Amino acid sequence: AQKITQTQPGMFVQEKEAVTLDCTYDTSDQSYGLFWYKQPSSGEMIFLIYQGSYDEQNATEGRYSLNFQKARKSANLVISASQLGDSAMYFCAMREGGGGGSNYKLTFGKGTLLTVNP
Amino acid sequence: DGGITQSPKYLFRKEGQNVTLSCEQNLNHDAMYWYRQDPGQGLRLIYYSQIVNDFQKGDIAEGYSVSREKKESFPLTVTSAQKNPTAFYLCASSKKRGSTEAFFGQGTRLTVV
Repeated sequence: AQKITQTQPGMFVQEKEAVTLDCTYDTSDQSYGLFWYKQPSSGEMIFLIYQGSYDEQNATEGRYSLNFQKARKSANLVISASQLGDSAMYFCAMREGGGGGSNYKLTFGKGTLLTVNP
Repeated sequence: DGGITQSPKYLFRKEGQNVTLSCEQNLNHDAMYWYRQDPGQGLRLIYYSQIVNDFQKGDIAEGYSVSREKKESFPLTVTSAQKNPTAFYLCASSKKRGSTEAFFGQGTRLTVV
């Protein structure tokens, strides 16, 4: 079974509008972390935002926010006021493990290709 | 500057040959990871290591081997047993604890010729 599911292979958004990229996850751990990365066509991986499983507030970083719904195991990325430079692949990832000596496995979803139209 | 360095950026290999991809970090991170990326497949975990002299198989370890003899180095060997090695390989590192992200190298694009 997939640990991270991103159901949108591709998304389109108009410049200056908001867009939500979906991510659901599967884990039996109580302690875990959720990440979003951006990958432009150059191939580099750019960290965007982090949400811990015990964090009660949704994470925000500038124009990025993470809509964390723990009971639904959902961690959607919201990009506000889209810009042309936001066109890229976006990956959701989860790090499992929280106890001393645990192995921290970092697993990624298949990604969503976001295209921002002028 | 602190960071994670992968080399080479492009690599060509003949069928039947082993090849080793380098990954070095000077961030003093305990954990290191190797991922393979194919078009439309996202990042798939090959191997990961939390501490020197210890590593675990990821989801697609067959045909690959790693070593972790030093904290800052985590080389990946693509063996001749890997049936379809042409891909983009990404190395990452992170602190073992806390809310810190993984840092990535620039990647190595391996092509079998």
